[in-house]
Amino acid sequence: KNQVEQSPQSLIILEGKNCTLQCNYTVSPFSNLRWYKQDTGRGPVSLTIMTFSENTKSNGRYTATLDADTKQSSLHITASQLSDSASYICVVSNDKIIFGKGTRLHILP
Amino acid sequence: DGGITQSPKYLFRKEGQNVTLSCEQNLNHDAMYWYRQDPGQGLRLIYYSQIVNDFQKGDIAEGYSVSREKKESFPLTVTSAQKNPTAFYLCASRPSLVYNEQFFGPGTRLTVL
Repeated sequence: KNQVEQSPQSLIILEGKNCTLQCNYTVSPFSNLRWYKQDTGRGPVSLTIMTFSENTKSNGRYTATLDADTKQSSLHITASQLSDSASYICVVSNDKIIFGKGTRLHILP
Repeated sequence: DGGITQSPKYLFRKEGQNVTLSCEQNLNHDAMYWYRQDPGQGLRLIYYSQIVNDFQKGDIAEGYSVSREKKESFPLTVTSAQKNPTAFYLCASRPSLVYNEQFFGPGTRLTVL
């Protein structure tokens, strides 16, 4: 069964600290993996996209990694800011688009 | 929100009434999607359309209906047959089936009283 599992479900950190969010998937075949950021009450916005051959991709303070052998991805946020408070959704695609349930990140001042 | 608009942002309806949520895009995208989002759950696909005048059911289509008379517009009707309609509804579009990224609208929060 095609599934995308994210952990942790929620995370609270202090402003300025780093954090890492995890995504494990069982989707096969695999086309690409995307991380979205969703602010409360808004639509998701794409942060990064990675294909099978890519191991890491950065977008400012966001760095995504992909291990296609173990079917795992992570999103690392460096020097967190209050505006990083949001849900982060991992999405894996083949001919379908499969969404994880997201990790809710709270940044405290 | 990438040229995709949803209206209204908040919608209140009485139980038993049908309600239509608007989704418009000016990105010239071929495919459009409707998702439902509930707290603690991932996005669930309601309906999608790959071309004008054609659409397919997603995973939770019961109690919903759509139309795609124009490329730019993909309205969703929540009917009285939908047992738990209160949710956050997201519309998305995608340039083509070759290009995997979806662009999301700002969402409509529907509350049925």
